[in-house]
Amino acid sequence: AQSVSQHNHHVILSEAASLELGCNYSYGGTVNLFWYVQYPGQHLQLLLKYFSGDPLVKGIKGFEAEFIKSKFSFNLRKPSVQWSDTAEYFCAVKPDSNYQLIWGAGTKLIIKP
Amino acid sequence: NAGVTQTPKFQVLKTGQSMTLQCAQDMNHNSMYWYRQDPGMGLRLIYYSASEGTTDKGEVPNGYNVSRLNKREFSLRLESAAPSQTSVYFCASSGTDKDEQFFGPGTRLTVL
Repeated sequence: AQSVSQHNHHVILSEAASLELGCNYSYGGTVNLFWYVQYPGQHLQLLLKYFSGDPLVKGIKGFEAEFIKSKFSFNLRKPSVQWSDTAEYFCAVKPDSNYQLIWGAGTKLIIKP
Repeated sequence: NAGVTQTPKFQVLKTGQSMTLQCAQDMNHNSMYWYRQDPGMGLRLIYYSASEGTTDKGEVPNGYNVSRLNKREFSLRLESAAPSQTSVYFCASSGTDKDEQFFGPGTRLTVL
């Protein structure tokens, strides 16, 4: 079955630390890839997406992600986090064979001021 | 633009009661979705509508029904609520099923 794995359920960092959140998926065909963020009490918003082309994609608020096809991965990165990045982050994958987005379980990120 | 709107924001039901969650989008999107979000489980698709007049079951459709009333509106109905349906429900829309999805603010439902 197609699945998306986010390795860390909870991450706690200090401000200015670097961030990398892992996302791996199980599907061998063509995919569209997404990272969404959910700030406390708010709805999900798109951070960035990859459809094709340059595997390093830049999103809002200084986030970026790299698609590594050979590793079935789409990890999210930010060089220096801020307290306002405290949120839950979801990776989602859209296989070309499926109308559904396959969602990871989410990673709760807490930034200590 | 309001984007995706949902009503109500909060609801408490007793077991066996029914209710309808409303969703509307003003982005002229073809596809609309209903998800539930439970702690540690990410989002699970309940039902999906590729276009006006069509609906399909998602991962967890049992206990729910949907209506794609027109291009803008997609409602979710619980005919006989159960405590297992306590969750946060999100509606989303996208231009097509290949595009990014835009989410509503959610409905927090508690079934006692």
